[in-house]
Amino acid sequence: DIQMTQSPSSVSASVGDTVTITCRASEDISNLLGWYQQKPGRAPKLLIYAASGVQTGVPSRFSGSGSGTDFTLTISSLQPEDFASYYCQQAHTLPPTFGQGTKVEI
Amino acid sequence: EVQLVQSGAEVKKPGESLKISCKGSGYTFNTYWIGWVRQMPGKGLEWMGIIYPDDSDTRYNPAFQGQVTMSVDKSLNTAYLQWSSLKASDTAIYYCARHRVKGSYYANWFEYWGLGALVTVTS
Repeated sequence: DIQMTQSPSSVSASVGDTVTITCRASEDISNLLGWYQQKPGRAPKLLIYAASGVQTGVPSRFSGSGSGTDFTLTISSLQPEDFASYYCQQAHTLPPTFGQGTKVEI
Repeated sequence: EVQLVQSGAEVKKPGESLKISCKGSGYTFNTYWIGWVRQMPGKGLEWMGIIYPDDSDTRYNPAFQGQVTMSVDKSLNTAYLQWSSLKASDTAIYYCARHRVKGSYYANWFEYWGLGALVTVTS
């Protein structure tokens, strides 16, 4: 299986900050990476697909980049509703695998 | 509006069987892969597998192959996840989710999610 490693595991930030989360794949996955947001007690929500495609309805402060093995999710001007956990997921090879998650805390 | 409505929480004993459901609406059920994702208490997301309702083609994560069975009933627009003999380690929330793009399972992500079904296995 392709291993997905996220860093950091958690980050403390304030409203208005810019937060960057990194995801590294154990092998080349081209641009086949997505990002999800999950709030406590809620189902995950797709934010980014194909490394940089912003899902419909997702605020423009969320952006993704990268290709190959290294990817980033950037949240610009952090809002109160952005405090959540974030997961990357590769869709290149079965089985798709998730990163371990990054918790964005106040 | 696309919706995935999952069955409710379950409390079971080790060794018991269980089948949970996920009913899709608001789209053509047969043409999108539906998957299952496990989240153990306080842990991350694990991709269990996907099924294509039109022909019941299934792709399992090897880690879950033989441990669970995925199925669909097209007439009811419903997907199922079942266990024949539960273990305490099956305690988790199980989400069903629909792929973003119809047809292919490759290069696809889960766009629509059910609310999750909490399965608790305890003696």
